Amino acid sequence: RKEVEQDPGPFNVPEGATVAFNCTYSNSASQSFFWYRQDCRKEPKLLMSVYSSGNEDGRFTAQLNRASQYISLLIRDSKLSDSATYLCVVNVGNTPLVFGKGTRLSVIA
Amino acid sequence: ETGVTQSPTHLIKTRGQQVTLRCSSQSGHNTVSWYQQALGQGPQFIFQYYREEENGRGNFPPRFSGLQFPNYSSELNVNALELDDSALYLCASSLRGVAGPSRLETQYFGPGTRLLVL
Repeated sequence: RKEVEQDPGPFNVPEGATVAFNCTYSNSASQSFFWYRQDCRKEPKLLMSVYSSGNEDGRFTAQLNRASQYISLLIRDSKLSDSATYLCVVNVGNTPLVFGKGTRLSVIA
Repeated sequence: ETGVTQSPTHLIKTRGQQVTLRCSSQSGHNTVSWYQQALGQGPQFIFQYYREEENGRGNFPPRFSGLQFPNYSSELNVNALELDDSALYLCASSLRGVAGPSRLETQYFGPGTRLLVL
């Protein structure tokens, strides 16, 4: 079983739609959780950290379920500029970041 | 931008050759991590340098080696290049406190070096 698993997509959604990405992780000792965004041929950029209580940043909401070892990202009112690959990332203390393969999102006009 | 720079941006090599990739960390950061991202995959951890010493290594063979300099910049060296080494090589810098690694330690990525091995 891979350490971090994501639905690879692609997710093709119209502008204004709400889209949700899911991610599961295998190491129950994981301590830190993130969503990174990666545009085509660019480096990953931190979108948001994910906290146990859930957190929101504008149109983006991240949730963490430690019992199920599950992380989600919800994007409301999708914009064309949201088109990118979304990487689920976990970290166990002093170990390096462990990335999922990413989920590709295309927002269509 | 993150302030992390990498050079070169693109590189073409042939099998068996050697390559050196460079990374300058964000000002004030003392830790550099290197990742390999093959097409369609997430980044895979190669190794990390902290205070000029290797501080963790992923599942990569010894022909992948590195250095960190006193100014915290870093190099990744790959010997005996293979076709499967073709990938985007990313470095990420972070600030580690004297207490050691922390879950609050955020890594910031450079733009990457795209390596093609023919």
